[in-house]
Amino acid sequence: DAGVIQSPRHEVTEMGQEVTLRCKPISGHDYLFWYRQTMMRGLELLIYFNNNVPIDDSGMPEDRFSAKMPNASFSTLKIQPSEPRDSAVYFCASSFRTGVNQPQHFGDGTRLSIL
Amino acid sequence: KQEVTQIPAALSVPEGENLVLNCSFTDSAIYNLQWFRQDPGKGLTSLLLIQSSQREQTSGRLNASLDKSSGRSTLYIAASQPGDSATYLCAVNEGGATNKLIFGTGTLLAVQP
Repeated sequence: DAGVIQSPRHEVTEMGQEVTLRCKPISGHDYLFWYRQTMMRGLELLIYFNNNVPIDDSGMPEDRFSAKMPNASFSTLKIQPSEPRDSAVYFCASSFRTGVNQPQHFGDGTRLSIL
Repeated sequence: KQEVTQIPAALSVPEGENLVLNCSFTDSAIYNLQWFRQDPGKGLTSLLLIQSSQREQTSGRLNASLDKSSGRSTLYIAASQPGDSATYLCAVNEGGATNKLIFGTGTLLAVQP
């Protein structure tokens, strides 16, 4: 069974450019989470969806960040315009029937570098 | 605001040793606590999940305990192996019906052959 798939694995772009990160959750999972990991702040939850609907976006740092989940098998996290301080590893995770103690399954992340 | 702390930040042990990793949290109103492993350049792998009503969970050489009243959890690794080398993170779920995790700072473990 395929795990959570993220693309691209690495992204290097210049400041001011638009960045789009992609995630395919595990089939059948109805919760999807976007995290950001940095040395300074550790792992932070940005936003999560339930059945394709955004539930809590209080972790999204600024209006430059947006996330969508057009269907159950695809989500995007977009940064526009990007800034050097956005450099981090971005993880997507999914889980099944949250509320019955189901663990989250993580993708391998996208390492983003903004020059 | 929930804060999750892990001690030590880094640990190096010789192969074969038993070891304990610590996790503390400031708000005991949690739904569950989860331990994850992260290998370099990889995502997180779920190791153990302890529900708030449970005291411990075991999987192979791993045993995790939970003391909600004192805000503590430990991850015990028996007979450590070089393949156990990784960063270990604990996370508390304080979201009730959600699975909103607050992560600790992590412990970087190195098991020397």
